[in-house]
Amino acid sequence: EIVLTQSPDFQSVTPKEKVTITCRASQSIGSSLHWYQQKPDQSPKLLIKFASQSISGVPSRFSGSGSGTDFTLTINSPEAEDAATYYCHQTSSLRRTFGQGTKVEIK
Amino acid sequence: EVQLVESEGGLVQPGGSLRVSCVASGFIFRTYWMTWIRQAPGKGLEWVANIKQDGSETYYEDSVKGRFTISRDNAKNSLYLQMNSLRPEDTAVYYCARLAYGDYVDYWGQGTLVTVSS
Repeated sequence: EIVLTQSPDFQSVTPKEKVTITCRASQSIGSSLHWYQQKPDQSPKLLIKFASQSISGVPSRFSGSGSGTDFTLTINSPEAEDAATYYCHQTSSLRRTFGQGTKVEIK
Repeated sequence: EVQLVESEGGLVQPGGSLRVSCVASGFIFRTYWMTWIRQAPGKGLEWVANIKQDGSETYYEDSVKGRFTISRDNAKNSLYLQMNSLRPEDTAVYYCARLAYGDYVDYWGQGTLVTVSS
């Protein structure tokens, strides 16, 4: 099983700061890493596919980078509506796995 | 517009069975892999199972293998998850989701809560 470890578990930022979430895979997964946002009592929403590819309709302040085992989700100038839990997800192996989630608070 | 609508879940006793379903609309259902993903209360996301377009291939998370069965009826645009020998740790919101060409989840249903308790 490929284990995805996100850090930090919780991040509190002001709108002037940048949100940076990392996701580390237990073995190389190429670029088969995707990011999701989940707000309370809602289904997850796709933010970034294949590590860095943007999704239509997702604000440009969301970006992703990385390959192999280390990946990063960045939210530049976060807005109040970005308060949510963020998950990374790998599709490199048939047994799919998710990171444990990172909760983001916007002060 | 892509829509995935799960059936109502429910309360089941340990050792019991339940089938949840998902009706798809807004896309050509028979051309997509589909998946079930679950989320225990207050916890993270956990992949459960995948099924190929024609149902000929299925894959399961180890803890549900042999107890859960994913299936589909393309004529009815429907996805199913038959859950047997349910355990308290299977308590979760179960999401039906579509796998885009490229194998990532691009659309999610609203989820249905399955509670396993005596």
